[in-house]
Amino acid sequence: AQSVTQPDIHITVSEGASLELRCNYSYGATPYLFWYVQSPGQGLQLLLKYFSGDTLVQGIKGFEAEFKRSQSSFNLRKPSVHWSDAAEYFCAVAATSGTYKYIFGTGTRLKVLA
Amino acid sequence: ETGVTQTPRHLVMGMTNKKSLKCEQHLGHNAMYWYKQSAKKPLELMFVYSLEERVENNSVPSRFSPECPNSSHLFLHLHTLQPEDSALYLCASSQDVRGNPYEQYFGPGTRLTVT
Repeated sequence: AQSVTQPDIHITVSEGASLELRCNYSYGATPYLFWYVQSPGQGLQLLLKYFSGDTLVQGIKGFEAEFKRSQSSFNLRKPSVHWSDAAEYFCAVAATSGTYKYIFGTGTRLKVLA
Repeated sequence: ETGVTQTPRHLVMGMTNKKSLKCEQHLGHNAMYWYKQSAKKPLELMFVYSLEERVENNSVPSRFSPECPNSSHLFLHLHTLQPEDSALYLCASSQDVRGNPYEQYFGPGTRLTVT
């Protein structure tokens, strides 16, 4: 069965520091992979996605993620965090065909220190 | 209006009430979704509509009843809810071609409190 694990429930970084949020998935083949961000009281906003091709994908707001098939991971990174990046981040996986089911991780809440 | 809109943004209802949540997408998509987001739990997919046909129903209690009159509108009708149904209900839409998943665009959600 498909599953997504985000091992870090909370992460705190200082403004200007680098950031890496971890995501591991379980799926029999290469799935579609997504990162979403949710600010308080808001819906989820798509940061980036991986469908195929280059394993390093660029997203909005300066985020990038790298797909590593051997590690079943899709970690999100940002070289320099801004205070406005404080939010909750969700990794999601979807099967490549035949299903409408997206599996979301439980989220990582990011706190940014000034 | 742009993107995905949801009304109302907040709803408080008693267990014997009947209410409806509304979602509208302005993106030209043909698939729409209802999710439930509870504290400390992953997003739970409730229903999926593609081309106005329900294609996914994840064992959701019958007190939740979806309706999709056209590809731009999605409703969630609520009746005789329980306190544990209190949550943020998110609507999303995506382009959908023959079951291939595309990125989803979410609305801001309706914060539902059942008293």
